[in-house]
Amino acid sequence: QKEVEQNSGPLSVPEGAIASLNCTYSDRGSQSFFWYRQYSGKSPELIMFIYSNGDKEDGRFTAQLNKASQYVSLLIRDSQPSDSATYLCAVPSPEYTGNQFYFGTGTSLTVIP
Amino acid sequence: DAGVTQSPTHLIKTRGQQVTLRCSPKSGHDTVSWYQQALGQGPQFIFQYYEEEERQRGNFPDRFSGHQFPNYSSELNVNALLLGDSALYLCASSFRPNQPQHFGDGTRLSIL
Repeated sequence: QKEVEQNSGPLSVPEGAIASLNCTYSDRGSQSFFWYRQYSGKSPELIMFIYSNGDKEDGRFTAQLNKASQYVSLLIRDSQPSDSATYLCAVPSPEYTGNQFYFGTGTSLTVIP
Repeated sequence: DAGVTQSPTHLIKTRGQQVTLRCSPKSGHDTVSWYQQALGQGPQFIFQYYEEEERQRGNFPDRFSGHQFPNYSSELNVNALLLGDSALYLCASSFRPNQPQHFGDGTRLSIL
């Protein structure tokens, strides 16, 4: 089992809809969760992170954690064509021995005008 | 506020050669991590440097080595290049090892 798994998609939503992206993780002790956006040919851009103590909302983006089921979600409200990208979920190793980030393979999102 | 900068942006090498990639972290950051991203895949962790020491290493052979300098910049060295080393190499920096990482634009390495 991979440490972090994502549905590769592609996920297509109409403009203005809510896009829901999910990520499952294997280590129950994980304490923080990161979402990166990567446009084609570009490097990953940090858009949001949450800790295990609660969900977080930032503008049109909301990150939610379900510890019991070991998955984290990213919701994008009022989706725009500019949101079309691959979204990567990253989870650091739970022990402070340095920090090995595990990335999922990413979910490709297309917002249709 | 300068972000993470990497050089060169593109590089073409042949099998068996050696390559050095460079990274300057974002201002205020002291930790540098290196990742390899193959086409269609998520980034794979190579290693992380903090206080000029390799703190953690992913599942990469010893052909991959690195260094961090007193000014926090870092180098990634790859020896005896293989065709499979062709990828986008990403540098990410953070303030302390377990804080959010910010990526540079990457170095696209092609092996012929």
